[in-house]
Amino acid sequence: NAGVTQTPKFRVLKTGQSMTLLCAQDMNHEYMYWYRQDPGMGLRLIHYSVGEGTTAKGEVPDGYNVSRLKKQNFLLGLESAAPSQTSVYFCASSQTPSGGRGTDTQYFGPGTRLTVL
Amino acid sequence: DAKTTQPNSMESNEEEPVHLPCNHSTISGTDYIHWYRQLPSQGPEYVIHGLTSNVNNRMASLAIAEDRKSSTLILHRATLRDAAVYYCILRWSGGSNYKLTFGKGTLLTVNP
Repeated sequence: NAGVTQTPKFRVLKTGQSMTLLCAQDMNHEYMYWYRQDPGMGLRLIHYSVGEGTTAKGEVPDGYNVSRLKKQNFLLGLESAAPSQTSVYFCASSQTPSGGRGTDTQYFGPGTRLTVL
Repeated sequence: DAKTTQPNSMESNEEEPVHLPCNHSTISGTDYIHWYRQLPSQGPEYVIHGLTSNVNNRMASLAIAEDRKSSTLILHRATLRDAAVYYCILRWSGGSNYKLTFGKGTLLTVNP
């Protein structure tokens, strides 16, 4: 089991360029998430998905788009990168919690470090 | 999510037990207590969670106060690999709250 994998691991973009971050999980999880982590701010949820073909906005969705065409993959797109999007991006997945949302445990990928110049 | 308070940093020696405290005085009856940790340059990793009773797993133990206003994550024998930031997070069991709310956590240093 590879768990949650992310590609690429590092990327440098120029302002205005676009890119897609790929997240893949092999645990057959229904839920997938994209977070960003900035120094001193903790992780913040960008977008999430509760199943194949469905996505929803998190707390900081502006400037990002997502797609979940296959259950195992969750893509995060930046259409026109800005320096404010310099961050470390983490993908996570979780199974439908049998004991309610309070018992949900999320499995994280290793992260993608993105720098926008 | 209700708020948690943790010390900014703690130090321990290798092979000694470590007790990481977390205060959550505004916890509701349906909030679960979760702990995650983040090793340097890695994604967060689930450690343990509980509701009212103490919990044990292969990684750690979770001791929950009787009034649930505080909890303690216990690493029974710290190793160098346990050096990480530890996050105490409350998760409400109802509604559609999908995000994990990470605070600043406790930076644990393990001395050889």
